[in-house]
Amino acid sequence: TQLLEQSPQFLSIQEGENLTVYCNSSSVFSSLQWYRQEPGEGPVLLVTVVTGGEVKKLKRLTFQFGDARKDSSLHITAAQTGDTGLYLCASAPNFGNEKLTFGTGTRLTIIP
Amino acid sequence: DVKVTQSSRYLVKRTGEKVFLECVQDMDHENMFWYRQDPGLGLRLIYFSYDVKMKEKGDIPEGYSVSREKKERFSLILESASTNQTSMYLCAGRGAYNQPQHFGDGTRLSIL
Repeated sequence: TQLLEQSPQFLSIQEGENLTVYCNSSSVFSSLQWYRQEPGEGPVLLVTVVTGGEVKKLKRLTFQFGDARKDSSLHITAAQTGDTGLYLCASAPNFGNEKLTFGTGTRLTIIP
Repeated sequence: DVKVTQSSRYLVKRTGEKVFLECVQDMDHENMFWYRQDPGLGLRLIYFSYDVKMKEKGDIPEGYSVSREKKERFSLILESASTNQTSMYLCAGRGAYNQPQHFGDGTRLSIL
């Protein structure tokens, strides 16, 4: 079973600061998805990365997929209070595999 | 907009009761999933279904069963509820294997 480790588990920073959270695996990802979950809601997909070395940007969020496809990072520039939430990475070990494995998440709090 | 609806946001049941959690999706997706989410453990897959009347065990199926009689509805059943099944339960639907999962808002279940 593929294991996904996310770090840090908790992060609390001031509004306007930059931050990076990480997702690491014991084995190669076929693809990796990042979700954000706000209190009282289900997770919502932010991005999917597929190719090693791939970088995707979503406004102030930058997602990077490691060259070896065993790790990924999410960088937020000039954090805003609306970025507060639980950030989850998820992956399937093989293309065509129906099951996703989720990481344990990073709980991010942006302080006004 | 895609929609996955879970019938209850909060549910309180007693030990030994048979509990039904209902999930309905309007996306005509073949794949549906049930997860439980616990602090520090992330989302763990209980069961999933890739077609009507088809089901497969996830990572933690013990104490649970599922029913998929119609494409749009996927039910999770706790045969005899126990206190260690107190958790947040999330249902999701998905089309093709590399498409995102769309989640409901969750059911917070307490077993007393």
